[in-house]
Amino acid sequence: AQSVTQPDIHITVSEGASLELRCNYSYGATPYLFWYVQSPGQGLQLLLKYFSGDTLVQGIKGFEAEFKRSQSSFNLRKPSVHWSDAAEYFCAVGARNTDKLIFGTGTRLQVFP
Amino acid sequence: DAGVIQSPRHEVTEMGQEVTLRCKPISGHNSLFWYRQTMMRGLELLIYFNNNVPIDDSGMPEDRFSAKMPNASFSTLKIQPSEPRDSAVYFCASSFRGGPETQYFGPGTRLLVL
Repeated sequence: AQSVTQPDIHITVSEGASLELRCNYSYGATPYLFWYVQSPGQGLQLLLKYFSGDTLVQGIKGFEAEFKRSQSSFNLRKPSVHWSDAAEYFCAVGARNTDKLIFGTGTRLQVFP
Repeated sequence: DAGVIQSPRHEVTEMGQEVTLRCKPISGHNSLFWYRQTMMRGLELLIYFNNNVPIDDSGMPEDRFSAKMPNASFSTLKIQPSEPRDSAVYFCASSFRGGPETQYFGPGTRLLVL
């Protein structure tokens, strides 16, 4: 069965610092992978996705993620965090034979000025 | 495009009352998903439809919950009778076609059952 683990519940960084949010998945084949962001009181918005091809994918708001098959990981990165990046971030995995996405439990990012 | 539209945005009701949440997916999308988000359980998929047909309702907590999609542009999630433990944010999402495509989320309905 598919599963997603986001090991960090809460991360705090200073504005301007680099960021890496971890995501590990469990799936027998090459998965579809997503990162979503949720600002307070809002729905989830897609940051980026990986289906195939180049393992380094670029997303909106300066985010990128790298698919590493050997580590079953899809970590989200940003070189310099802005105060407006404070939000909750969800990693999700989908299988090729279903419409469903399995979401991780989320990582709450706090940014200090 | 207006995005996924949900109504109401906030709902406060008393235990035992019927609650109906509404969703209008993005035009042209043929998959629709209902999620529930709580602090304790995170984001849970309740049910999803493809071409207006319920495909997987294994996440529906119990018989008090029901969902319908009478046409491609409208879906409802009903709770009858409601209980305090149903308090949560309920999201509707839609996607363009079958398979794990990008899901577009609505703003959610924040439900409080007293």
